[in-house]
Amino acid sequence: ETGVTQSPTHLIKTRGQQVTLRCSSQSGHNTVSWYQQALGQGPQFIFQYYREEENGRGNFPPRFSGLQFPNYSSELNVNALELDDSALYLCASSPNRGMIGSDTQYFGPGTRLTVL
Amino acid sequence: SQQGEEDPQALSIQEGENATMNCSYKTSINNLQWYRQNSGRGLVHLILIRSNEREKHSGRLRVTLDTSKKSSSLLITASRAADTASYFCATAYSGGYQKVTFGTGTKLQVIP
Repeated sequence: ETGVTQSPTHLIKTRGQQVTLRCSSQSGHNTVSWYQQALGQGPQFIFQYYREEENGRGNFPPRFSGLQFPNYSSELNVNALELDDSALYLCASSPNRGMIGSDTQYFGPGTRLTVL
Repeated sequence: SQQGEEDPQALSIQEGENATMNCSYKTSINNLQWYRQNSGRGLVHLILIRSNEREKHSGRLRVTLDTSKKSSSLLITASRAADTASYFCATAYSGGYQKVTFGTGTKLQVIP
């Protein structure tokens, strides 16, 4: 158990809809990253938030957006869903920068999104 | 895009045997990490090796890093059925933020 939780576990949406996925980081972890993992592939970095600001982004379009809140929770929002957005979405939190282990990520169990 | 490539893509061994997985990457890194993933769920961090280290051990795990060849290997000794999972290497580079890039994974099956 990493202490990182995600909700919901599974979600089914139709093309064109919008979705919000939620993550609760471990207490004291002020960095959260989101990943998309397609079936049979490794996780792909979407973006990272540090102290409620986006400070890094992968090769994903603007319809993927996020928020991080002071209570160590965060959201991933995806607008105008496409069939290719079907994947496992993982969030990972890291201890505060400068602290021992700050370069280790602790993953949640993921949300499996299916777009029909 | 994937930074790392794991080799082999799939590996099937008998319980008690050793399992070796390799990872190659393309750009400079600060550290390389190995993760395990069971049945398409969350990833579990196994071990981190920094760019100035050559070998690291953790229990039955041994990781080597050769930055001149841009490659790493993960050795699991005396494998158990519970080691059946997908294993990913992930390279990390800090340039304003720590960007972690995962490889394509090795699917390990340990037969009891």
